[in-house]
Amino acid sequence: DIQMTQSPSLLSASVGDRVTLSCKASQNIYKYLNWYQQKLGEAPKLLIYYTNSLQTGIPSRFSGSGSGTDYTLTISSLQPEDVATYFCQQYNSWPTFGAGTKLELK
Amino acid sequence: QVQLQQSGAELAKPGSSVKISCKASGYTFTSYDISWIKQTTGQGLEYIGYINTGSGGTYYNEKFKGKATLTVDKSSSTAFMQLSSLTPEDTAVYYCARDTNWFAYWGQGTLVTVSS
Repeated sequence: DIQMTQSPSLLSASVGDRVTLSCKASQNIYKYLNWYQQKLGEAPKLLIYYTNSLQTGIPSRFSGSGSGTDYTLTISSLQPEDVATYFCQQYNSWPTFGAGTKLELK
Repeated sequence: QVQLQQSGAELAKPGSSVKISCKASGYTFTSYDISWIKQTTGQGLEYIGYINTGSGGTYYNEKFKGKATLTVDKSSSTAFMQLSSLTPEDTAVYYCARDTNWFAYWGQGTLVTVSS
């Protein structure tokens, strides 16, 4: 299985901050990388697919980038409703997920 | 609109089985595979496998072979997952989701608690 490592595991930021979350794969995943947001008690929500494609209905402050083994989710201006846990997921082979980054307000 | 409606929470005894349902609506059921995903606090999100809703063909993560059995009833647009020989390690929230590469639509999750 391809291992996905997310960092940091916990991130504190202020409203309006530019926030960057990282995801590293144990091998090249050729941009087959998705990002999800999960709020407490809810199912994960797809934000970004194939590294940088914004899912319909997702605010444009969310963006994704990366290649090879290293990928990034950026929130350009943090909003209170962005408090959640964020997961990356690869699908170059059998899907696997990162352990998540919990984003909280400072 | 696309919806996946899962069955309610289950409390099961060790060694028993449970069967979770996932009823799809708002799209042509047989046009998309249904995936199943396990979420626990300790292990995070794990991909169990998927079923081709048209052919009924199934594909399992090696870790879940023998544990999960995926089936489908096309007449009711419902996918099922049976979990057998339950142990406390099977306690988790189980989600169904549409498709296999990225998961744009999820069920609300079914909590399975295994306890004597």
